[in-house]
Amino acid sequence: ETGVTQTPRHLVMGMTNKKSLKCEQHLGHNAMYWYKQSAKKPLELMFVYSLEERVENNSVPSRFSPECPNSSHLFLHLHTLQPEDSALYLCASSQVHLTDQPQHFGDGTRLSIL
Amino acid sequence: EDQVTQSPEALRLQEGESSSLNCSYTVSGLRGLFWYRQDPGKGPEFLFTLYSAGEEKEKERLKATLTKKESFLHITAPKPEDSATYLCAVGGTSYDKVIFGPGTSLSVIP
Repeated sequence: ETGVTQTPRHLVMGMTNKKSLKCEQHLGHNAMYWYKQSAKKPLELMFVYSLEERVENNSVPSRFSPECPNSSHLFLHLHTLQPEDSALYLCASSQVHLTDQPQHFGDGTRLSIL
Repeated sequence: EDQVTQSPEALRLQEGESSSLNCSYTVSGLRGLFWYRQDPGKGPEFLFTLYSAGEEKEKERLKATLTKKESFLHITAPKPEDSATYLCAVGGTSYDKVIFGPGTSLSVIP
């Protein structure tokens, strides 16, 4: 496989469930990102990992918990979510964590909270 | 504060009708301006990076240009398959992250 792969593509969960989103990049990049995309709003950066170290946490509620076990894999653990958390969650990667580097995105996980 | 706006919000074109999308930005020390294409149900697909005013990049029917305050994405003789949302993003020196605009939704009618 090439590029950035996200699973699952769709997820429906209740407010009390615990689930995890998975991202894998096959580009040899050293930085990985989680974004939230809601209708009619710009992409919101949630977390940044550079060389497996978390370097950014954009005031994200603790019900979202990221994990980066190695430079190719990124997880987003979800628990006790709210209806307003329903959105498209996108994973991206870049060669290094610098603002002159283009990011390459997966196709996202469409999350619906009942 | 770094900011990115895009106009128009939505654009409908007839096939073959050329036009331009605008991305206006305010950033301290531009390090890179990025254009992406996003199809429904998909993630953004990287198109171009522009680094300095006066720079231009081309790909098929798309041409991106950059000034000190804005970037344009020119679409020449568009086809229906060019229909998508086009996102602009900027990276500067004041924040350690890239800021995305809200996007322009383009529809090309046969």
